[in-house]
Amino acid sequence: KAGVTQTPRYLIKTRGQQVTLSCSPISGHRSVSWYQQTPGQGLQFLFEYFSETQRNKGNFPGRFSGRQFSNSRSEMNVSTLELGDSALYLCASSRLGDSAHEQFFGPGTRLTVL
Amino acid sequence: GQQLNQSPQSMFIQEGEDVSMNCTSSSIFNTWLWYKQDPGEGPVLLIALYKAGELTSNGRLTAQFGITRKDSFLNISASIPSDVGIYFCAGFGAGSYQLTFGKGTKLSVIP
Repeated sequence: KAGVTQTPRYLIKTRGQQVTLSCSPISGHRSVSWYQQTPGQGLQFLFEYFSETQRNKGNFPGRFSGRQFSNSRSEMNVSTLELGDSALYLCASSRLGDSAHEQFFGPGTRLTVL
Repeated sequence: GQQLNQSPQSMFIQEGEDVSMNCTSSSIFNTWLWYKQDPGEGPVLLIALYKAGELTSNGRLTAQFGITRKDSFLNISASIPSDVGIYFCAGFGAGSYQLTFGKGTKLSVIP
């Protein structure tokens, strides 16, 4: 069974631009969560989607948004990029979307903002 | 919000030694997960714990769900060089879909 895939793996953008990252969950998984990982703050929750609905959102500004499609694939968008948005963005999928269920991570997208 | 305190932050051990790390929380968690992350990769799930007091093994790894539901422990026995990496604890609070992570324990194994 294929794991969680994320595209692109690496991205370089300049301040003020916007970016869209893509995540394909494990087949049969309906919940997708997004995390930002930085050396200073560690892994921080961005948002979680289940059946195309955002169920939970972390403490990030409105510049960070996401969506989920009917095939469970998800995208996240960051508008008006800032230098501090440079991070590894990780996507994780879960089978049932139950709050107690295991999450499996993709390899991440490394975003560098210049 | 919920926070997890993970310790130690880093460890240097000799190959063959056993390793222990732990995570504590000020609030109750319903699920504890332990992950390992190698440089440039996403975290890989090692062990999942669902019940207070549960003890689960995965090869040389053993993890426990604390009986107070506010802590969890991970032990690695007979460490080998490929155990090098960052280990994260993570958990779901009651009724939460948000996975909270500890800051990680960086493990270095000296051959």
